Amino acid sequence: AQSVSQHNHHVILSEAASLELGCNYSYGGTVNLFWYVQYPGQHLQLLLKYFSGDPLVKGIKGFEAEFIKSKFSFNLRKPSVQWSDTAEYFCAVILSDMRFGAGTRLTVKP
Amino acid sequence: ETGVTQTPRHLVMGMTNKKSLKCEQHLGHNAMYWYKQSAKKPLELMFVYSLEERVENNSVPSRFSPECPNSSHLFLHLHTLQPEDSALYLCASSPRRQEKFYGYTFGSGTRLTVV
Repeated sequence: AQSVSQHNHHVILSEAASLELGCNYSYGGTVNLFWYVQYPGQHLQLLLKYFSGDPLVKGIKGFEAEFIKSKFSFNLRKPSVQWSDTAEYFCAVILSDMRFGAGTRLTVKP
Repeated sequence: ETGVTQTPRHLVMGMTNKKSLKCEQHLGHNAMYWYKQSAKKPLELMFVYSLEERVENNSVPSRFSPECPNSSHLFLHLHTLQPEDSALYLCASSPRRQEKFYGYTFGSGTRLTVV
């Protein structure tokens, strides 16, 4: 069965540090990939998505992700995090319906 | 606001109670979904409705009973729940099922505690 793996459960960074959150999926066909963010007490918000074309995708709030088909990966990156980026981040894939990874909790220390 | 509204935000219920969760979307979407979010686990897709027809039930226990009276409203009826059913229940919608470009729009969820 298809699955989405997020290997980092909790990441703690200081402000201005660079961020990379891992996401791997297990499906060999065409996939559509998403990153969502969930701030404390709020709804899931779409950060960015990969549909086709340029594998480097830019999203909101300075986030970007790179689709590497050969590695079945779609890692999320941000060059310099802020305290306000403290949240939970979810990678997801749509085949028939949207399936999610377990999420990565990011804590940014001021 | 996302356009997907869930009520109540919080619910505490006993194992013998019957309650319902409500989801309403004002986006003109034709597909709606229930997800269960538990700590340290992937969001679990519970039910999928497309054009008011249930198209998927992911082996969810019968103590959870969904209802979709029209394309704007989705309910999750709960009865004789167990403590392990305590979780955040999320509703989502999309323009149509298998919508791959726009993704899903989520509500803020109902935090359910079963005592």
